[in-house]
Amino acid sequence: ETGVTQTPRHLVMGMTNKKSLKCEQHLGHNAMYWYKQSAKKPLELMFVYNFKEQTENNSVPSRFSPECPNSSHLFLHLHTLQPEDSALYLCASSQEQQGPYEQYFGPGTRLTVT
Amino acid sequence: AQSVTQPDIHITVSEGASLELRCNYSYGATPYLFWYVQSPGQGLQLLLKYFSGDTLVQGIKGFEAEFKRSQSSFNLRKPSVHWSDAAEYFCAVGAGGYNKLIFGAGTRLAVHP
Repeated sequence: ETGVTQTPRHLVMGMTNKKSLKCEQHLGHNAMYWYKQSAKKPLELMFVYNFKEQTENNSVPSRFSPECPNSSHLFLHLHTLQPEDSALYLCASSQEQQGPYEQYFGPGTRLTVT
Repeated sequence: AQSVTQPDIHITVSEGASLELRCNYSYGATPYLFWYVQSPGQGLQLLLKYFSGDTLVQGIKGFEAEFKRSQSSFNLRKPSVHWSDAAEYFCAVGAGGYNKLIFGAGTRLAVHP
């Protein structure tokens, strides 16, 4: 595997389900990010992790719970979601020493909440 | 506050025609500027970046962009568009701590044969 991978690529879940999105980066980076991309809205930064520590939470509802066990892996745990949470969830990673702000993205998980 | 504006939501060009996508940013200091491309159902791919130095930067897939401080712009150009360039293009500025990127709303490019 190379770059940033995300699983699953597609997920359909009911509002009462609990599921998790997984992101793995194979680039040796030390920062990881979750973004939400909804139709007709700009990319929304959700969470930032630097060296496994959460450094940004952009007022994201508690039904989204991130976890970063190490610098290579990032999870987004989902529960009791709403239909408006349907979106493409993108993971990204970066390494400041390789290029400030230069982020590399995974292919995303298309989430549909029914 | 930092912001990025992409004035054109949709652009349609003919294959072989030249292309220019506009991007204006608002940022007090010297910006770090990026262009990303997103094909349908895919993540964002980095096309090119500007940190400092030469204001005309070359990227992948034949794209280039020019940083103009006086106009707070970072427009993306390509001399001859291919049908495979049809995608959504995002301009972004690096702003603030912890490597935050501020994205524009995107420009969707359609290419006619």
